[in-house]
Amino acid sequence: LAKTTQPISMDSYEGQEVNITCSHNNIATNDYITWYQQFPSQGPRFIIQGYKTKVTNEVASLFIPADRKSSTLSLPRVSLSDTAVYYCLVGLYGGSQGNLIFGKGTKLSVKP
Amino acid sequence: NAGVTQTPKFQVLKTGQSMTLQCAQDMNHNSMYWYRQDPGMGLRLIYYSASEGTTDKGEVPNGYNVSRLNKREFSLRLESAAPSQTSVYFCASSSGDRVAYEQYFGPGTRLTVT
Repeated sequence: LAKTTQPISMDSYEGQEVNITCSHNNIATNDYITWYQQFPSQGPRFIIQGYKTKVTNEVASLFIPADRKSSTLSLPRVSLSDTAVYYCLVGLYGGSQGNLIFGKGTKLSVKP
Repeated sequence: NAGVTQTPKFQVLKTGQSMTLQCAQDMNHNSMYWYRQDPGMGLRLIYYSASEGTTDKGEVPNGYNVSRLNKREFSLRLESAAPSQTSVYFCASSSGDRVAYEQYFGPGTRLTVT
């Protein structure tokens, strides 16, 4: 199972761009990289997913280098409401094989 | 469209008591999952069901049993609750398609075992 390493916590200020990097050195050929966001007392919520290069949606961008051993979640112009825990996951397809590992995530604190 | 629903929201048990956590999804998803989350920790997979009629152990299955009742419902049973099972339990579902995926999570059940 591909495990991930990401910073325990990060601080930022409103309006700044935040980049959270995740290391996944033993990623397998068929693994996708997915990021989830979790607010206190709620279940995680899907943010973005990618396989290689760059993916962008209305919420974030995901940068994946050619060797795929790491990935970076980019949140543009964060606001106080972006304060949450962000999880990087690596796994096959829908995780229907039960091979997703959430880890402890990165706690992002956005200050005014 | 309610997504993933879980009952109950809160529960207090005494050591040795049993209970079943219920989960249902209305998105016609094939795969369903049960996770637990302890304070300051990430989510750990207890059991999952890749499709109706199948269940498999995850990372921390000891002390739990599951039933995939039909495509919509996936229940988690604690036969003899222990204080170590005090946690927040999340149910999730996904389409299970081979291409991309996204897990949808329920609101969680907060369980305290005394």
